[in-house]
Amino acid sequence: EPEVTQTPSHQVTQMGQEVILRCVPISNHLYFYWYRQILGQKVEFLVSFYNNEISEKSEIFDDQFSVERPDGSNFTLKIRSTKLEDSAMYFCASIEGGGKETQYFGPGTRLLVL
Amino acid sequence: GENVEQHPSTLSVQEGDSAVIKCTYSDSASNYFPWYKQELGKGPQLIIDIRSNVGEKKDQRIAVTLNKTAKHFSLHITETQPEDSAVYFCAADSNYQLIWGAGTKLIIKP
Repeated sequence: EPEVTQTPSHQVTQMGQEVILRCVPISNHLYFYWYRQILGQKVEFLVSFYNNEISEKSEIFDDQFSVERPDGSNFTLKIRSTKLEDSAMYFCASIEGGGKETQYFGPGTRLLVL
Repeated sequence: GENVEQHPSTLSVQEGDSAVIKCTYSDSASNYFPWYKQELGKGPQLIIDIRSNVGEKKDQRIAVTLNKTAKHFSLHITETQPEDSAVYFCAADSNYQLIWGAGTKLIIKP
């Protein structure tokens, strides 16, 4: 069964450093998402992406964040200058579209900012 | 915007008993309500979903009910088993964006 994959599974970085989290959505899906989950808290929407542009973003998704689909398969989340409070699990998800709304989630990347 | 409330935050049931988790939502325009199960260290996995034109949906031991008038929906797990232990999240969709509940930690006691 097709699945969303994410790399790396864990990343440790120093405050102020840039990180890039990578996702490979399911191949025929058209809508892509990033969510984050701070330890013990609810999953929070960050951004949605469709047709090579951002369609929705939350208040969390400030100028430090950016997303890109550099080729036909990868979908990346970049945090330019990480802060301690960026430490969280980051999940990528995708939707097939065409009326099919089920979001399929990747296993997540655990980001720890020191 | 949409707000989703989920109760209880923790639920402990005896193996074999039923478990019910409840969610309410605020945006009457929401029309898609998935439930996700998250095991420790893993991403959320869809277990069942319901659309606003349906009042109830069942898949083996799992069922979801939706009351659009009252804006609440519930997850029912019957004959609970140890492998049902996990955190369960409800969510409501609007414009393809999922707004999540805070999660329910389900503990199945042997």
